[in-house]
Amino acid sequence: QQQVKQSPQSLIVQKGGISIINCAYENTAFDYFPWYQQFPGKGPALLIAIRPDVSEKKEGRFTISFNKSAKQFSLHIMDSQPGDSATYFCAARNFGNEKLTFGTGTRLTIIP
Amino acid sequence: NAGVTQTPKFQVLKTGQSMTLQCAQDMNHEYMSWYRQDPGMGLRLIHYSVGAGITDQGEVPNGYNVSRSTTEDFPLRLLSAAPSQTSVYFCASRGGGETQYFGPGTRLLVL
Repeated sequence: QQQVKQSPQSLIVQKGGISIINCAYENTAFDYFPWYQQFPGKGPALLIAIRPDVSEKKEGRFTISFNKSAKQFSLHIMDSQPGDSATYFCAARNFGNEKLTFGTGTRLTIIP
Repeated sequence: NAGVTQTPKFQVLKTGQSMTLQCAQDMNHEYMSWYRQDPGMGLRLIHYSVGAGITDQGEVPNGYNVSRSTTEDFPLRLLSAAPSQTSVYFCASRGGGETQYFGPGTRLLVL
């Protein structure tokens, strides 16, 4: 079963706009929620991550919003740039457990 | 540091053939994992290791074997390849922190 559901599957945003990708999870034991960025032909790379004791984390133009009661978290990319065009994956993991569960990915395209 | 390296980059196999995908890391990381990436399915964990001599199954372990004789290396073996194993395979490692570092991937085609 899909323990982490990600939407949308693809997203087109104008340069300078805000890109928003959403994820929902089922397992309440998850306590680490990273976002990965993947460019074509490359491995995923950690972009930003959050733990459930905070509702928001910001690093530069990238922000994670976390809603523990709704079991949802989202990635916001402010002032989106063509270089942000990539596939983004949300993920979740239990504390002390090596099993990282990924969402199905969102292909983001930033158009000029 | 080279980080996480994987070989080969690309491989074509015939059904029933065996092969080993190599993964090495030079960061002295304790944790290593293998994932497969298929269109529309994200990355799925195949096997993982929490240290030399210790391995465990992930979400999709059938058809794959692993061993971890050293901290640096974590090979993935396909004993009898099937077309369903056509995928892109990623190895990852993690030290004491939370960040997983992924290798560049191996693209496998099974005919």
